[in-house]
Amino acid sequence: EVQLVESGGGLVKPGGSLRLSCAASGLTFSNALMTWVRQGPGMGLQWVGRIRSKSDGGTADYAAAVKARFTISRDDSQNTLYLQITGLETEDTAVYYCHTGPDYWGQGTLVTVSS
Amino acid sequence: QSVLTQPPSASGTPGQRVTLSCSGSSSNIGSNAVNWYQQVPRTAPKLLMYDNSQRPSGVPDRFSGSKSGTSASLAISGLQSDDEADYFCAAWDVSLNGLLFGGGTQLTVL
Repeated sequence: EVQLVESGGGLVKPGGSLRLSCAASGLTFSNALMTWVRQGPGMGLQWVGRIRSKSDGGTADYAAAVKARFTISRDDSQNTLYLQITGLETEDTAVYYCHTGPDYWGQGTLVTVSS
Repeated sequence: QSVLTQPPSASGTPGQRVTLSCSGSSSNIGSNAVNWYQQVPRTAPKLLMYDNSQRPSGVPDRFSGSKSGTSASLAISGLQSDDEADYFCAAWDVSLNGLLFGGGTQLTVL
């Protein structure tokens, strides 16, 4: 059974940084295209970005709105996906989900940006 | 503001057929396949339809999808109370080089 478990969310002040993790099991993580999606309170889904497998180049793509401040990485030895966020803004307040195809989602981790 | 436009709400009575729409442009729906997700509040989304009209295993055939030009639709027949949820369309945008979600339609079963 595929499981994705996010962690690392919490309350952060504007301008702060955070690293979210997504621990994967039940799949060949190193071959997986991994994605981050977020959802602000009462809002819709927003694609944050994705990272390819090493065999597909290992590169990442980002939504334009977050490209300057977000970095997606992966540690295939630990079956873990990361999302590093710097310069946090109140608009970054959201539940952050990791996702992989065809339809595997974590439970989400809540990031709240507030002073 | 989402580039994929969905009506914010829709409703129907049990047994009825409802159709949810998703309007985009040539750089997203017009160029790529559309997926649909169902989300019950406070839970992760669930893939309901992929490649415009393909149902994942386990999704009832009451759900059907279609695409024409730069618009897509999700039809739900034999509406049930369990169908009450938010529905999001999604498509890759070649100009933005990113995945776009619609703003979502909140479906209420009266």
